[in-house]
Amino acid sequence: TQLLEQSPQFLSIQEGENLTVYCNSSSVFSSLQWYRQEPGEGPVLLVTVVTGGEVKKLKRLTFQFGDARKDSSLHITAAQPGDTGLYLCAGARAGNNRKLIWGLGTSLAVNP
Amino acid sequence: EAQVTQNPRYLITVTGKKLTVTCSQNMNHEYMSWYRQDPGLGLRQIYYSMNVEVTDKGDVPEGYKVSRKEKRNFPLILESPSPNQTSLYFCASRVPMGTLHFGNGTRLTVT
Repeated sequence: TQLLEQSPQFLSIQEGENLTVYCNSSSVFSSLQWYRQEPGEGPVLLVTVVTGGEVKKLKRLTFQFGDARKDSSLHITAAQPGDTGLYLCAGARAGNNRKLIWGLGTSLAVNP
Repeated sequence: EAQVTQNPRYLITVTGKKLTVTCSQNMNHEYMSWYRQDPGLGLRQIYYSMNVEVTDKGDVPEGYKVSRKEKRNFPLILESPSPNQTSLYFCASRVPMGTLHFGNGTRLTVT
């Protein structure tokens, strides 16, 4: 059983489109992180959200942590080919901040 | 430049031939960890180390060994590799409760 479910698994869109990817769980997390992994490289942290209902913006990327701290979303506005990659979410369980629970990722392809 | 360096980047070997994948970080991080990444299974933690001489099993430790004799190095040892250990391996490090910094990966093929 995957504790963090990411959807969709794959997404292929045209440059300029908007998209949202989701990271859902039945468990509560004390914090949740989003990473982007490009081919041939390791994951790179994009953002950490820690407060229920929190919204963080990173240029064209908007991250939201659910009120109950069980889910999160990543919205990309006007996607560009440079946004192509694997988007991973990882959560720290309440009471066990040392261990991260990883989702399987959303593989995004943005076509010119 | 702050980084986590893994070597080699690519490795093809045969069943049973012992190998070591090295990992070194230059950020003075206490915590280091090894992951494997497989299609459909995602990132799974193999071993982690909270500090020098302190190591512990992750979710999939079978068939692997690690050591942490120095703060900067955390090698991953496969004493007798098998084909089911064919995978993409990542080393990562961080300060306590800090951001995980990943290396660029080692793609291992065991035939």
